[in-house]
Amino acid sequence: AQSVSQHNHHVILSEAASLELGCNYSYGGTVNLFWYVQYPGQHLQLLLKYFSGDPLVKGIKGFEAEFIKSKFSFNLRKPSVQWSDTAEYFCAVNPYNQGGKLIFGQGTELSVKP
Amino acid sequence: GAGVSQSPSNKVTEKGKDVELRCDPISGHTALYWYRQSLGQGLEFLIYFQGNSAPDKSGLPSDRFSAERTGGSVSTLTIQRTQQEDSAVYLCASSLEGLGYEQYFGPGTRLTVT
Repeated sequence: AQSVSQHNHHVILSEAASLELGCNYSYGGTVNLFWYVQYPGQHLQLLLKYFSGDPLVKGIKGFEAEFIKSKFSFNLRKPSVQWSDTAEYFCAVNPYNQGGKLIFGQGTELSVKP
Repeated sequence: GAGVSQSPSNKVTEKGKDVELRCDPISGHTALYWYRQSLGQGLEFLIYFQGNSAPDKSGLPSDRFSAERTGGSVSTLTIQRTQQEDSAVYLCASSLEGLGYEQYFGPGTRLTVT
């Protein structure tokens, strides 16, 4: 079955620390890849997306992600986190032949200590 | 413009009752999605509409769940004979037609079945 795996359920960092959240998916065909973020009390919103081309994509608020096709991975990174990055982060996969359906990972809760 | 809106924001119902959840997508968005967010299950896809038709209903958990969309706009998710395991946040998202467009999420309806 298609699935998305996020390795870290809860990450705690101090401000200015570097962040990397892992995401792996199981789907053999072409996919579009997304990271969504949900700040406390807010809607899910898009951080960044990968459709094709340069596998290193940049998103909002200094986030970036790298698609490594051979590893079926799409890890999210930020060089220096801020307290305002405290949120839950979701990796999602859209299999190419399944309309716009998103398959989400379980989410990673990030807590940044000031 | 206005984002995706959902109503009610909270719904408490007794086991066995029917509930209707409403979603108003962003104007001009032809694709509409329903997801469910619950503890232990994460974010699960339920159903996808393209216009008024639903090419993918694969995520509906049982025949107690149904959804419709009229006029290519508003959608209603109906849960009949609610069970406690239906308690979750039901999220609606909309996007422009086509593959891989960003989905914009609404605030969700928190359903509690007592």
